Amino acid sequence: NAGVTQTPKFRILKIGQSMTLQCTQDMNHNYMYWYRQDPGMGLKLIYYSVGAGITDKGEVPNGYNVSRSTTEDFPLRLELAAPSQTSVYFCASSIPGAPQRYEQYFGPGTRLTVT
Amino acid sequence: TQLLEQSPQFLSIQEGENLTVYCNSSSVFSSLQWYRQEPGEGPVLLVTVVTGGEVKKLKRLTFQFGDARKDSSLHITAAQPGDTGLYLCAGPRDSSYKLIFGSGTRLLVRP
Repeated sequence: NAGVTQTPKFRILKIGQSMTLQCTQDMNHNYMYWYRQDPGMGLKLIYYSVGAGITDKGEVPNGYNVSRSTTEDFPLRLELAAPSQTSVYFCASSIPGAPQRYEQYFGPGTRLTVT
Repeated sequence: TQLLEQSPQFLSIQEGENLTVYCNSSSVFSSLQWYRQEPGEGPVLLVTVVTGGEVKKLKRLTFQFGDARKDSSLHITAAQPGDTGLYLCAGPRDSSYKLIFGSGTRLLVRP
């Protein structure tokens, strides 16, 4: 199993450009998540999905969109990039296990700079 | 609002020393997880603690969940350079599958 894979690894965008961050998992996990991690901070939830066709907003959804057409893929779309979106983005997945045990598996991250 | 506060924010120690890092909240959590994140990588789950007072050991790492399920600690015995990384605690938001993360403790173990 490759686990959770993300592309690209690095990207530089100009203000106002758009891009899609790709995320794929091969563990057949129902739940998938997108986080951003800013320097010295923990992870903030952007969007999440509990299955194909179902997505919902997390703590910091503004400026982002997601879709979930298959169990495996959960792309994150940035429209009209702004410097405030400079961050490291992580995709994660999980499967509901025993109660309270929603342990998450993370991809390697995408480092995005908006200038 | 549920928050997880981690301390210290940064710790630099010599190889062979012992250390403890803390994860505290004013809220009760149904469980807490600890992750380690190395530079340029995503977080990797180390352990989940579920029962108040629970102690779990992972080689030289000892994790404890507070009796009231509001706090947790991670103790490392005889730290090694390979322990270097960012240690994050996380807990389910409102007992759901969405996690809240602390801001982390960045550990540097010098050879």
